[in-house]
Amino acid sequence: KAGVTQTPRYLIKTRGQQVTLSCSPISGHRSVSWYQQTPGQGLQFLFEYFSETQRNKGNFPGRFSGRQFSNSRSEMNVSTLELGDSALYLCASSFEGQGYEQYFGPGTRLTVT
Amino acid sequence: SQQGEEDPQALSIQEGENATMNCSYKTSINNLQWYRQNSGRGLVHLILIRSNEREKHSGRLRVTLDTSKKSSSLLITASRAADTASYFCATGGGETSGSRLTFGEGTQLTVNP
Repeated sequence: KAGVTQTPRYLIKTRGQQVTLSCSPISGHRSVSWYQQTPGQGLQFLFEYFSETQRNKGNFPGRFSGRQFSNSRSEMNVSTLELGDSALYLCASSFEGQGYEQYFGPGTRLTVT
Repeated sequence: SQQGEEDPQALSIQEGENATMNCSYKTSINNLQWYRQNSGRGLVHLILIRSNEREKHSGRLRVTLDTSKKSSSLLITASRAADTASYFCATGGGETSGSRLTFGEGTQLTVNP
């Protein structure tokens, strides 16, 4: 099976802009989670989608949003970008989510200038 | 915020030696997972151990879990230069966390040839 893919791999945006990141899970996986990784805060959970519904949400402001399509592909959007949003954004898919191992994509490196 | 702490933060060993990393966590869990991350890339799932298991093996990896002490350890035997990476423990499940994974701060392992 093909692994989790994320696009784009690298992105440079200006403060105040918005950005959309995409994630295609492993075929058959219905759960998609998003994580933000920064040197200061480490790996932090953003949200999880399962069958097109947000099932779990981390402690991030409303500028961070996501959605999942019927084919399980997921997008996350960050509006009004701030310098602190510069991070590696990782997407992970799993069969059911809870209690199962998660398979991570290579990540999208977002730089906000 | 990070659920747990990993110890040590950095570990440098010679090829062929064993590497042991420890992880502590704070809340009740359904399972604990270990992941590896090569510099700036996605995470690779290594092993999952459920709360009713005490030890699990996978190739050169051995994971132990002590739920009474809320701690886990990852042992890599006969290490290789290719094992150089950051290693993270992640807790999942439990009554409140659902499907989200909460990561430790990671241990940076360097295996010198």
